[in-house]
Amino acid sequence: AQTVTQSQPEMSVQEAETVTLSCTYDTSESDYYLFWYKQPPSRQMILVIRQEAYKQQNATENRFSVNFQKAAKSFSLKISDSQLGDAAMYFCAYGGSQGNLIFGKGTKLSVKP
Amino acid sequence: GAVVSQHPSWVICKSGTSVKIECRSLDFQATTMFWYRQFPKQSLMLMATSNEGSKATYEQGVEKDKFLINHASLTLSTLTVTSAHPEDSSFYICSARDRRGKTEAFFGQGTRLTVV
Repeated sequence: AQTVTQSQPEMSVQEAETVTLSCTYDTSESDYYLFWYKQPPSRQMILVIRQEAYKQQNATENRFSVNFQKAAKSFSLKISDSQLGDAAMYFCAYGGSQGNLIFGKGTKLSVKP
Repeated sequence: GAVVSQHPSWVICKSGTSVKIECRSLDFQATTMFWYRQFPKQSLMLMATSNEGSKATYEQGVEKDKFLINHASLTLSTLTVTSAHPEDSSFYICSARDRRGKTEAFFGQGTRLTVV
């Protein structure tokens, strides 16, 4: 069975600074996808970034980028130039052959002005 | 972008009654929808996978007779919590994947269920 581990229950970053959220996963599948979702207080799940496992190049979406280390099964999220609106719960998720997503326990990110 | 609409966004019901939650894909067809449950300050846990035109697949520990899932069309799946009890109070979220095989799952807004 696949598992996703987020070892940082809470993180804090100063506005305009950079923060990295960690995520590791375990799988025996060779074809899969990894995601970072943001869940603000509204609880709406918002896709932040997606990485296909077969792609070696790290995904980037504006201020958000990932460090995907397939051999190490590591998938960290870097948020640059942090903004107050980035404060939320962040979930790392694994998407495999079954189609459903397996989520980590989440990291609560606080942004200090 | 793809939109998934979930209704209602919140509901309060009396213990022993049933509650139906709808999940609709508004601008795409979804052969598969997923139902998750999220307790306060916890992660999303998959409850069941809803397949259009066939029976839902439930995760271990989820009572299929309590959480009835119907996926009657390519754009609608419903979750009915039958004979609800206070311990069923939670946040329920659905997601749907485009039948064309796109990898991204789109989420509904979620439903906060409170059983009193």
